[in-house]
Amino acid sequence: DTGVSQNPRHKITKRGQNVTFRCDPISEHNRLYWYRQTLGQGPEFLTYFQNEAQLEKSRLLSDRFSAERPKGSFSTLEIQRTEQGDSAMYLCASSPLGHPDTDTQYFGPGTRLTVL
Amino acid sequence: AQSVAQPEDQVNVAEGNPLTVKCTYSVSGNPYLFWYVQYPNRGLQFLLKYITGDNLVKGSYGFEAEFNKSQTSFHLKKPSALVSDSALYFCAVRGSARQLTFGSGTQLTVLP
Repeated sequence: DTGVSQNPRHKITKRGQNVTFRCDPISEHNRLYWYRQTLGQGPEFLTYFQNEAQLEKSRLLSDRFSAERPKGSFSTLEIQRTEQGDSAMYLCASSPLGHPDTDTQYFGPGTRLTVL
Repeated sequence: AQSVAQPEDQVNVAEGNPLTVKCTYSVSGNPYLFWYVQYPNRGLQFLLKYITGDNLVKGSYGFEAEFNKSQTSFHLKKPSALVSDSALYFCAVRGSARQLTFGSGTQLTVLP
């Protein structure tokens, strides 16, 4: 049983550099979500895709953030010109469409970003 | 706007005793309510959800939760706690939009 996978698991970068994270959802899950979790807080929603269409975006997703899901399978989240405030765990989740379990989001292990 | 409150940052309970982790919510329309558990340096693991129907929902690992519409609460419960239940628990809500809004989490410690 393959769950949601995320790569890399850890990323350390210097302020001002660009970083890109990848998320592979559970097979045949049409919906894909990105969240950000800072220490001591619950996850905060960033954006949501249904197939390749980006349907919802949070105000948290500044101009430096961009997410794509070009073929409706894996997704990438890019942060340009990273800032120390971007240090967080970035979580990806997926859910099926038109299925009894459609409302349940299944999360990956996350990518921990540290910006020095 | 939707929101979740978990009023206790920390809950301690002795092994074998019942446990309750509290959650209240605010959302427009019918709520979709969820509980997730997070172990150190791991993602979130789904425990249970309430969408509609019976107010008492049962989930993984012996956990259950009771939906109370009048009190806008969705407390997580387990009749007999295990040391291995020690973890960080998150309550989440969604309304008509797909995004989940999470509480700030409750650290559960089960003492042997």
